[in-house]
Amino acid sequence: KAGVTQTPRYLIKTRGQQVTLSCSPISGHRSVSWYQQTPGQGLQFLFEYFSETQRNKGNFPGRFSGRQFSNSRSEMNVSTLELGDSALYLCASSSRDAAGDSPLHFGNGTRLTVT
Amino acid sequence: AQSVAQPEDQVNVAEGNPLTVKCTYSVSGNPYLFWYVQYPNRGLQFLLKYITGDNLVKGSYGFEAEFNKSQTSFHLKKPSALVSDSALYFCAVRDKKGGGGNKLTFGTGTQLKVEL
Repeated sequence: KAGVTQTPRYLIKTRGQQVTLSCSPISGHRSVSWYQQTPGQGLQFLFEYFSETQRNKGNFPGRFSGRQFSNSRSEMNVSTLELGDSALYLCASSSRDAAGDSPLHFGNGTRLTVT
Repeated sequence: AQSVAQPEDQVNVAEGNPLTVKCTYSVSGNPYLFWYVQYPNRGLQFLLKYITGDNLVKGSYGFEAEFNKSQTSFHLKKPSALVSDSALYFCAVRDKKGGGGNKLTFGTGTQLKVEL
């Protein structure tokens, strides 16, 4: 089975621009979560989608948004980029719907640099 | 609210020696606990989980973890470390009372360095 695929691997953007990151989960997985990883804040939960519905949301400003498509693929969007948005953005998928006891399977991330 | 503490930023151990990476947690109910490992420029890789039952959990690559409810700890262990185990290790928790969903709270990570 193919793992979680995130595209692109690297992105360089300028302050004020917007960016869209893509994630394809493991086949059959309907839950997709997004995390931001930075040296200062560590791993922080952004949001989770299940069957095209946002199920959980972390404490991030409204500039961060996401969606999930009927094939479970997910995108996240960051508008009006700030320097502090520079981070590794990780997508993870899971096989279970609501139990929460299944591990997350992570992609290799998208490294976003904002200049 | 749920939280995880990894008190050591870095752990150094000689190859062949046992290793322990510490983790304590705080949840309002019973926890789901996980350990993940991250290699440079890669995503997180699942090692093992505690859901319920036996307090000693065995996982991938010879790792195991011991759940201690009274000490609210979930330390990661391996009897004999390898240089290839050198990586960043994360402990994560999810409160069973949190309702549906897969939101995990991660610790700050512990850098494990195994030397020859």
